[in-house]
Amino acid sequence: EPEVTQTPSHQVTQMGQEVILRCVPISNHLYFYWYRQILGQKVEFLVSFYNNEISEKSEIFDDQFSVERPDGSNFTLKIRSTKLEDSAMYFCARGRQGGYGYTFGSGTRLTVV
Amino acid sequence: EDQVTQSPEALRLQEGESSSLNCSYTVSGLRGLFWYRQDPGKGPEFLFTLYSAGEEKEKERLKATLTKKESFLHITAPKPEDSATYLCAVQALPSSGTYKYIFGTGTRLKVLA
Repeated sequence: EPEVTQTPSHQVTQMGQEVILRCVPISNHLYFYWYRQILGQKVEFLVSFYNNEISEKSEIFDDQFSVERPDGSNFTLKIRSTKLEDSAMYFCARGRQGGYGYTFGSGTRLTVV
Repeated sequence: EDQVTQSPEALRLQEGESSSLNCSYTVSGLRGLFWYRQDPGKGPEFLFTLYSAGEEKEKERLKATLTKKESFLHITAPKPEDSATYLCAVQALPSSGTYKYIFGTGTRLKVLA
C-alpha cells in the first residue's frame, strides 16, 4: 500500500506560535485522520476528515486546531497558538485499502518551548 | 465508559522464548479490534484486525486471538527484531452516530539475543 508521508519530521516552535503539519502527497483517498501521542502516553484521536469536511472530532480538537486539504492532495493540521502541552508526536492516517484499520504516517514530532 | 487495557506494560524475553500479550476491552459494541506494532519514533504499523469472538489471525511469529472480553497476541520463538511496542485498539459502535477508535497504552517488548 502507498505510504503516508508527513512533513516536517520534527518541528520546534515557540509557545504561542502557529504551526502547520503536513501530510503529503495523498491521492484518491477521501478519509483522513489526525492522531497525537504525547510521550509515554496513548495514541489519541483528534479529528477525522471526509470529503473535505470534518466528520468527527475529539474533545482535544478545540478552536486552536484546524484541518484543511488546500490543494486536493496535501492534508494539513494547523495549531494556531501552541502551548507547551501540545508537544507530542502527531500522526496522519488514512483508511487501509480493503479493510478496517489505518495506515499511519511516520509522524511529526512537535516540541513547544 | 469504553476502555482498553493492555498488560504487561513491559516484557523482556530471551530469543526463542514464546509469550503472550493481553488486551482487555470494555466497549458498548465492538466493531473491530486491531493490533499495531510501533517502533520508537515511528507511526503504528498495522498487524491484524479481529471482528468476532473466536477469530484468529496469524502473521509469521505472531498470532492474534479474540474473545468477548480480551485479545491475546501470541509471539512464538521471538527474535530481537520483534522488539517494539505492541498497541491494541478497538473501534466501538457509536452511541452518538460516529465510530470511536480507542488505543491502549501498549506493551513494550524487548527480545534479547
